[in-house]
Amino acid sequence: GAVVSQHPSRVICKSGTSVKIECRSLDFQATTMFWYRQFPKQSLMLMATSNEGSKATYEQGVEKDKFLINHASLTLSTLTVTSAHPEDSSFYICSARETNQPQHFGDGTRLSIL
Amino acid sequence: KQEVTQIPAALSVPEGENLVLNCSFTDSAIYNLQWFRQDPGKGLTSLLLIQSSQREQTSGRLNASLDKSSGRSTLYIAASQPGDSATYLCAVEGVWDNAGNMLTFGGGTRLMVKP
Repeated sequence: GAVVSQHPSRVICKSGTSVKIECRSLDFQATTMFWYRQFPKQSLMLMATSNEGSKATYEQGVEKDKFLINHASLTLSTLTVTSAHPEDSSFYICSARETNQPQHFGDGTRLSIL
Repeated sequence: KQEVTQIPAALSVPEGENLVLNCSFTDSAIYNLQWFRQDPGKGLTSLLLIQSSQREQTSGRLNASLDKSSGRSTLYIAASQPGDSATYLCAVEGVWDNAGNMLTFGGGTRLMVKP
């Protein structure tokens, strides 16, 4: 089945650091990738949708200058949390899909900002 | 705007019981509905996907039904086992705005199956 690899799985860093998370589709071309955030005991909330070669579409309330998304190829999207602060600590999950196919999810990245 | 609700939020049952998880959604114009399993600190595992034209899907001890007109889905787990303990998420896919297809998730049901 389709595999989505997300890296790193866990990040602990100091406040003010910028953190990059990678999402790769390993065996299919991901025309669209999605980034979600999940706080403890809550469900997934969509942050942004990105199509290869286009600017990401951000959901209401998500700061695009804070969460930089790059979808430069059909197999890779990156999320960079710029100048991260403790309130950015969360579980970030990406998903990827081919056109008209279901989304396949990565294993998530646990981000902890000290 | 689509809203997805899952009831109950948490459930604890003894091993061997059959159980039903509920999911409701407000906008019936969906393409499909998916049930996922999420273990603590982990990503999502897709369990069952029901297309909007389908009424149910089965996989092993799991059976999911869909009543699109009433905006409801149920996930039935037969003969529950401790290994079934996880959070179960329901998500519907549709076009809610001009951003294209997107998934909207429910809040999840945290299931604990006790030996």
